[in-house]
Amino acid sequence: DAGITQSPRYKITETGRQVTLMCHQTWSHSYMFWYRQDLGHGLRLIYYSAAADITDKGEVPDGYVVSRSKTENFPLTLESATRSQTSVYFCASSTGTASSYEQYFGPGTRLTVT
Amino acid sequence: GENVEQHPSTLSVQEGDSAVIKCTYSDSASNYFPWYKQELGKRPQLIIDIRSNVGEKKDQRIAVTLNKTAKHFSLHITETQPEDSAVYFCAGGGADGLTFGKGTHLIIQP
Repeated sequence: DAGITQSPRYKITETGRQVTLMCHQTWSHSYMFWYRQDLGHGLRLIYYSAAADITDKGEVPDGYVVSRSKTENFPLTLESATRSQTSVYFCASSTGTASSYEQYFGPGTRLTVT
Repeated sequence: GENVEQHPSTLSVQEGDSAVIKCTYSDSASNYFPWYKQELGKRPQLIIDIRSNVGEKKDQRIAVTLNKTAKHFSLHITETQPEDSAVYFCAGGGADGLTFGKGTHLIIQP
């Protein structure tokens, strides 16, 4: 678990501001994911990446932007934060090989938009 | 896309009894079904998973069964202990990500 980290762990921002959540993994996993967790909704996939420079939308991508210039980093940007984006955000990584789809989750970032 | 439904939302059992949580999925292309345990304020932790070419898998007190025809899978925990109290999530998908159920709050009564 120490191989995947997120920063910051807690963030309070105002409506309309841009905020970037960072995710870093040391396993050289090909796949990385961003989920948000809200009470009553479980975890929902925002974006995922199969490799550096390859990203794709998940279930709830609106209002978010991702990039992956290096295998180990997968930042998530909220370009203009809204109160509905108040949530706990989890990054995860996986080898994505046929032998293992197991996802390893980071510790999460609790984001509050006021 | 995939839709995963999970029942019940809350389950209370006596310590030492068994607990069963059930999930259904909609996308026949899903081939990976993990179960996660999440304690308050912590990250989800994988407790067991099953691939679509396997019907049952067991790891000590925990087992998962999968019925591909009916598109449902279940988590079985035997001899429950206080430390089993947590929220459990089922999920379905594959390499490109997971769709999660809404979770089951498992309460172990002493």
